[in-house]
Formats: sequence, structure tokens, C-alpha cells
Amino acid sequence: GENVEQHPSTLSVQEGDSAVIKCTYSDSASNYFPWYKQELGKRPQLIIDIRSNVGEKKDQRIAVTLNKTAKHFSLHITETQPEDSAVYFCAASSLGNTDKLIFGTGTRLQVFP
Amino acid sequence: GAGVSQSPRYKVAKRGQDVALRCDPISGHVSLFWYQQALGQGPEFLTYFQNEAQLDKSGLPSDRFFAERPEGSVSTLKIQRTQQEDSAVYLCASSLRTTTDTQYFGPGTRLTVL
Repeated sequence: GENVEQHPSTLSVQEGDSAVIKCTYSDSASNYFPWYKQELGKRPQLIIDIRSNVGEKKDQRIAVTLNKTAKHFSLHITETQPEDSAVYFCAASSLGNTDKLIFGTGTRLQVFP
Repeated sequence: GAGVSQSPRYKVAKRGQDVALRCDPISGHVSLFWYQQALGQGPEFLTYFQNEAQLDKSGLPSDRFFAERPEGSVSTLKIQRTQQEDSAVYLCASSLRTTTDTQYFGPGTRLTVL
């Protein structure tokens, strides 16, 4: 089955700097890759997603890139702000009877003012 | 509109007790998922419903875990004879259709088994 690895586990940046989180997946059939932000004690919230027919997607300060050949995808946050501090999870999903998401282990991002 | 809701938000159970966790998905959403999130970990898939049909229960850890969605809307996750290792946050998510649509998560139920 699908396995998703995520790095780094923790990331500290200065406000205004960029942050990059990387994930790799094992199942070449995976075709949907969402990123979720989870604040302490809160529900995971989708911040951006990408499908396998696209190599890059951007939404204001957030972008995601996908390399299907290498089976990895990355989250890029530019001009980080303290409110970006949270745990970020990548996930991968395969099309089939079950569209279950396989999550990475999470990255705790801290943005210092 | 209303998002996914779950109840109770917190549940403390003594080892051996049975618990029932409720999920109210977004109205009209066909797909419903249950995930288990241990402290400091990512959510792990438990089971999936398409309307009232349970199409995948491969993630349920043991036969003490049971889920249902009898009318294709509200779902209940039941854990019998709870064990300490069942302590976790149980997240419910729903999505509009059966393909890889966005999954919207509920706030979760934090289960603590003493």
C-alpha cells in the first residue's frame, strides 16, 4: 500500500523567510496530493492540493510542486507570518473504491517574529 | 454552511467500557471517512463509507471497532471493551462525491481510556 514520508519533522524560520516541506510517496498510482494545516487542538484544514496532471499550483503565499517521476511533492510558504505556525501534513490518495488519504507524519512549523 | 461536526468532543472511558462516537457530515456529502490520530502523528485511515455502504474497513485495528452509517448521513464509530491503546483523537471527514474530492474534517473526538 501507499506510504508517505515527510521531512523535516520540525522547522523554525524567521518571519518573512520562506519555508519548504517535502514529502515522498510510494504508490505510483496516487493522483491527488492535499496539504493540511492543523493548529493545536483543532481540525486539519486543507490549505492547498494538487492533482497528478499538474506540476505546480500556487495560491497567494502558498505553492505546491509535484514531481511524478521522482514521486515527491513539496509545500512552499513564502513571506511567512507568525500565524503560519502550526503542524502541516501532506497526504496522498489513490483513485479507487476508497479515496482514503495516507498522511505523512507532520511538520511542526514555528515562525518567530 | 455548517461543516462536519462530531460529538462528544471529549470522552473519558474506563478500560473495558464501550463508547460511541458520532459524526455529522456536511449535508449531501456522499463519502465519509473515519481516521485515528495518535498524539504527535498524522491521521490514520480507519474506514470509508459511500452513502450507507461501508466499502473499506481495512484500517479498523480490531474487531472491537465497528462503524455504521445506516441512512447514508450520520455515522457512528463504536469501540467495544476499550483499551488504553485506543486513546487518540478520532476524526471524521466527508467529501462531496466518490472521486478524490476535498475531504473536510470535523473537530474530532478526543478519547482517553483510563
